[in-house]
Amino acid sequence: SYVLTQPPSVSVAPGKTARITCGGNNIGSKSVHWYQQKPGQAPVLVIYNDSDRPSGIPERFSASNSGNTATLTISRVEAGDEADYYCQVWDSSSDHVVFGGGTKLTAL
Amino acid sequence: EVQLVETGGGLIQPGGSLRLSCAASGFTVSRNYMSWVRQAPGKGLEWVSVIYSDGSTNYADSVKGRFTISRDSPKNTLYLQMNSLRVEDTAVYYCARGSSTWYDFDYWGQGTLVTVSS
Repeated sequence: SYVLTQPPSVSVAPGKTARITCGGNNIGSKSVHWYQQKPGQAPVLVIYNDSDRPSGIPERFSASNSGNTATLTISRVEAGDEADYYCQVWDSSSDHVVFGGGTKLTAL
Repeated sequence: EVQLVETGGGLIQPGGSLRLSCAASGFTVSRNYMSWVRQAPGKGLEWVSVIYSDGSTNYADSVKGRFTISRDSPKNTLYLQMNSLRVEDTAVYYCARGSSTWYDFDYWGQGTLVTVSS
């Protein structure tokens, strides 16, 4: 089965740039989606189709996908960006949705 | 406005059954790709099941043969019938609306907690 690997945690000072990676075998050939989840809340889609932003998501959120790594970039990090972030793909070979293990973003 | 409201969670003994419901408004369930996603306490997201607009379904290996996803078009509601429940099925269960173009999930419910314990 397809596996997505994320670092458990990322820390960044407010105002700086955070980068959260999502590794998978040839992930660049898949569409990657990213979700933000704050404590006690449902996940929120922040990036879909590798780099597209849903309406209402700040331009500070961007992403890329190439080779074996997809990356979510959050510019000018704010305290309100502290959350767990999950990457997700659809594995066509199994027709299964796959989530990464999640990364906890902390604004120091 | 799109809304998803899950109900049906609760405390159940191992081996028991439970049916979760997800009432949708603002769109038509039967015309969309719908999934159940769960999250065990303190853990990450785990996809559980999908039902496509054509009615076909698929399941995670961990629940295949025990869980059944279905929908009721007149009620515009998604269901998850869970049988032979195990302690490891304890989680918050979310229903989510998906895009059949990119297989992402653009709307989620607030979740319902299922606790399997003796």
